[in-house]
Amino acid sequence: SYELTQPPSVSVSPGQTASITCSGDKLGAKYACWYQQKAGQSPVLVIYQDDKRPSGIPERFSGSNSGNTATLTISGTQAMDEADYYCQAWDSNTAVFGGGTKLTVL
Amino acid sequence: EVQLVQSGAEVKKPGESLKISCQGSGYRFTSYWIGWVRQMPGQGLEWMAIIHPVDSDTKYNPSFQGQVTISADKSITTAYLQWSSLKASDTAMYYCARLNYYDSSSSAAFDYWGQGTLVTVSS
Repeated sequence: SYELTQPPSVSVSPGQTASITCSGDKLGAKYACWYQQKAGQSPVLVIYQDDKRPSGIPERFSGSNSGNTATLTISGTQAMDEADYYCQAWDSNTAVFGGGTKLTVL
Repeated sequence: EVQLVQSGAEVKKPGESLKISCQGSGYRFTSYWIGWVRQMPGQGLEWMAIIHPVDSDTKYNPSFQGQVTISADKSITTAYLQWSSLKASDTAMYYCARLNYYDSSSSAAFDYWGQGTLVTVSS
């Protein structure tokens, strides 16, 4: 079965750029999306179709996808961005989530 | 405003049956697939299944096929997830989410999520 691999944790200082990667076989040939889940809350879609932001998502969130890796980038990271982030893609009509990355802003 | 409102928390014993619900509003319910996602305590997200409310076409994650059943009633804009015999390992938060196909099935993403239903299975 298809797998997506994320680093368990990423740390960033306020105002700096955070990059969270998601790796999968030929992931660049698929579309990747990203969800943010703050503690005790439901997930929120922050990036779809590799690099598109839903309405209401701040411009500091951006995405890219090439080769075997999709990347979520948060520019000018704020304390409110501290959360778990999950990538997701489709393979053979099956939705696959990455294991999640805990972003710590310190 | 798009909303998915899920039924309340449940505490059940092993072997019991359960059906939880997810009611959609603020959009054309019949135009979007609805999915279910499991999150076990302290763990990540796992896709379980999706259903189309018009014809109840379903797609299951092989890991959950035969373990749960999803259904929908378009007349009351509600989707369901049910178990016939719960196990302790079914203890988790369950989310429903709307699936938006942006331009193809491979670009679909879950764009709106319910608040989650906590299911606790314990003897």
